[in-house]
Formats: sequence, C-alpha cells, structure tokens
Amino acid sequence: SQQGEEDPQALSIQEGENATMNCSYKTSINNLQWYRQNSGRGLVHLILIRSNEREKHSGRLRVTLDTSKKSSSLLITASRAADTASYFCATDSLYGNNRLAFGKGNQVVVIP
Amino acid sequence: GAVVSQHPSWVICKSGTSVKIECRSLDFQATTMFWYRQFPKQSLMLMATSNEGSKATYEQGVEKDKFLINHASLTLSTLTVTSAHPEDSSFYICSARHSSGRAGGFFGPGTRLTVL
Repeated sequence: SQQGEEDPQALSIQEGENATMNCSYKTSINNLQWYRQNSGRGLVHLILIRSNEREKHSGRLRVTLDTSKKSSSLLITASRAADTASYFCATDSLYGNNRLAFGKGNQVVVIP
Repeated sequence: GAVVSQHPSWVICKSGTSVKIECRSLDFQATTMFWYRQFPKQSLMLMATSNEGSKATYEQGVEKDKFLINHASLTLSTLTVTSAHPEDSSFYICSARHSSGRAGGFFGPGTRLTVL
C-alpha cells in the first residue's frame, strides 16, 4: 500500500533557486527515505531520516521530518540543471518488514 | 553503495509469451529482494517480497501465477511475466537487501518491458 504521498506538484524553477517538495504518510515509521529518478532510469538513494531525527543535511539537500504531522520535506538548495528529475519519498513503516511504500513523486525541472 | 544489476535492461515481446527478468546483487548477499512495477509518470508499486529459499509474498492484487518469482540463491532473484499482455508493459525494478541493511535495500537500474 502507498503510504508516502507527496503533494502531486510539478516544479519548474530557474537554476540557482531552491526547490522544496513535501511528503505525507499515514502510519508510524522507522524511517523515511528520499529517492531521485531520472526519466526512464533507476532510483538513486538520496537520504534517510530516522523517526527520532527532525532534520538532516547532505550536501545541497536538507530533509525535515515531523512525526507528529506525519510529514517530511526535501529542500534542494542552489538547484542545477542536473537536478531535473522525479523525487520520491518512501516510508519504512514499523510493521512493514523492511518494505518501502513510495509516494506519488514530484517532477522537478530546473531551467538553465 | 552496493551494486544491484538487472537483466535485460529492456525487452520487447509478443503478446502471449513469457519474459524472465533477473535481479542480481553483485557484491553482497541479498536475503531479501523486492520487485516493483512502475507505469509511466507514476510511482513505484511493490509487487512482491522474496526471501531466499522461500516462497515470495505477493502484495494484494498481484497475481502470483502471472508474476512468478524465484529467489533460489542469495545473489539472484528472477521475475517471470507469464503470458504477457500489452497491459503488462511497464518498468520493473528490483531491490536487494542484506539482512542487516537498510529497509528497502539497494535498487537495480530497472527493466523496460514492452508487450506488443
């Protein structure tokens, strides 16, 4: 079942701007992960945030997690044309046996 | 990170034929492999979970007789789409996980199946 549910946005931004996308989910989780997928390609793991963490950084990525609201956000700072991709959140639920439930995804287009 | 491969990367077949897709973990032992399906412009939908040496667990709505999964070794799982039809055309992605690895495991590059 799909738990992670991003706002079904298509973002189109200029290079250098920040891109923010959100994800909401329904059940208790062990962790939440963000992935990037270029068109027609496999998934690239970006970052994992545990349920006891509130914020995490990795390079130009910043992820927040609010377990009380069951939501997460992914911020890409100083975007580049190469950031153009679809971004998915995926939840590892407490009773999911290490299976991931993926959200709908956000299409991000960075205009050079 | 760990490397997971899929073969073939793309396949075109006639309606009614069967297609086998392989998923291999190249540098670790995968006690669990997951199979996903992704339709154009949609998210990944988990089809089944397979544990080495045991029968796969299928998600609700996935026909186990149509999508045969074999996980005979710690480095290989196969998905066979039997009697494929055009509606089975999709992007199939596997992920492989070691027992001590992160949930969801590492993803393969995907296989594009087109059924004519």
